[in-house]
Amino acid sequence: DTAVSQTPKYLVTQMGNDKSIKCEQNLGHDTMYWYKQDSKKFLKIMFSYNNKELIINETVPNRFSPKSPDKAHLNLHINSLELGDSAVYFCASSQDGSGSKSPLHFGNGTRLTVT
Amino acid sequence: AQRVTQPEKLLSVFKGAPVELKCNYSYSGSPELFWYVQYSRQRLQLLLRHISRESIKGFTADLNKGETSFHLKKPFAQEEDSAMYYCALGGYNTDKLIFGTGTRLQVFP
Repeated sequence: DTAVSQTPKYLVTQMGNDKSIKCEQNLGHDTMYWYKQDSKKFLKIMFSYNNKELIINETVPNRFSPKSPDKAHLNLHINSLELGDSAVYFCASSQDGSGSKSPLHFGNGTRLTVT
Repeated sequence: AQRVTQPEKLLSVFKGAPVELKCNYSYSGSPELFWYVQYSRQRLQLLLRHISRESIKGFTADLNKGETSFHLKKPFAQEEDSAMYYCALGGYNTDKLIFGTGTRLQVFP
């Protein structure tokens, strides 16, 4: 009965490839997020979706494209992967439309390694 | 500007010692402050939030608007408290929850 689940847990790929990370939440939350944690453990928001609509789009290269087929899913597709994309990507969800007030529930993270 | 600062990257203490993890913020509005914790090989999870005014696992944090701080405290550290701790800032004027750079707490036996 995992609340926020991401797949895959580990992803190793070569530069230039295209890859996707999937996220699903069964909490009935309206809002989902992608955060990136770099090698120094710095955690930065990338995107948020509220009921399938894009709410936050930080300064992220357009090689990153989130897709939300329904409010329980938020996938992240990355084109033309670069070495600097190596990081841990966390999916999260929150109950209401603003993660700035409601607690976030995080997935286990996807460790992406680009070689 | 919405900004949160955790000045210490690493804090090492012995078991039983008091712990204070510092967090300062900058926000032009009414802030919402949180502490999240990430234990080794586990997901990031909420530890506590300022509006709850509760103690979780012996930790407390008080919002000091005058000093713009939200320090996390525990009187007697335990080995199982060893983890990465993130202070996070949101508020009513923003949709974003931003995180500090984190402080790694190491509690030695």
